[in-house]
Amino acid sequence: DTEVTQTPKHLVMGMTNKKSLKCEQHMGHRAMYWYKQKAKKPPELMFVYSYEKLSINESVPSRFSPECPNSSLLNLHLHALQPEDSALYLCASSQIAARETQYFGPGTRLLVL
Amino acid sequence: SQQGEEDPQALSIQEGENATMNCSYKTSINNLQWYRQNSGRGLVHLILIRSNEREKHSGRLRVTLDTSKKSSSLLITASRAADTASYFCATDRRGGTSYGKLTFGQGTILTVHP
Repeated sequence: DTEVTQTPKHLVMGMTNKKSLKCEQHMGHRAMYWYKQKAKKPPELMFVYSYEKLSINESVPSRFSPECPNSSLLNLHLHALQPEDSALYLCASSQIAARETQYFGPGTRLLVL
Repeated sequence: SQQGEEDPQALSIQEGENATMNCSYKTSINNLQWYRQNSGRGLVHLILIRSNEREKHSGRLRVTLDTSKKSSSLLITASRAADTASYFCATDRRGGTSYGKLTFGQGTILTVHP
């Protein structure tokens, strides 16, 4: 299984809502990532988890809260988002968090109203 | 400019022609990767080339890396309409503790006309 899955595919939320994005991989990878991608721009790294520990936080606002419950799952909890947070959120995984190919999921398209 | 700049920004060709995209970067790297993204979807890994490699092939893809010029190129031969996508280079910087941090270029939008 070489697939990274993400749910939901689409999400519309108000600025006062709390929602979560989910990501799952069964490749035995020990590193997982969240990226944010705005239209016509490259992905920007948000967080890196290595062996279920947060290793990189790219100065992301606290309204985004990552969680790695186990080596296969990665969540991104969303609270009090702003309209400018509307974007495609991509999850990726790799064997380890160093010099390795990253495998991406299809993304969650988020719209904040 | 940012690590990983690509040119051209957009490329339009006919089926059967070759497409070449270039990527330049600023810092020393461990490896450079190329990814493809179809409209609004996830990224698909194409090739990883390490800093001690100069050229790599995969099917119709050929990637070169010139670390002295801090540049890479991706050549797609005999292009097909299905190759229409955005192509990104991504660099893994050498040194520091930012393991796993890929920095993506701005991307090249390739359109292949049937």
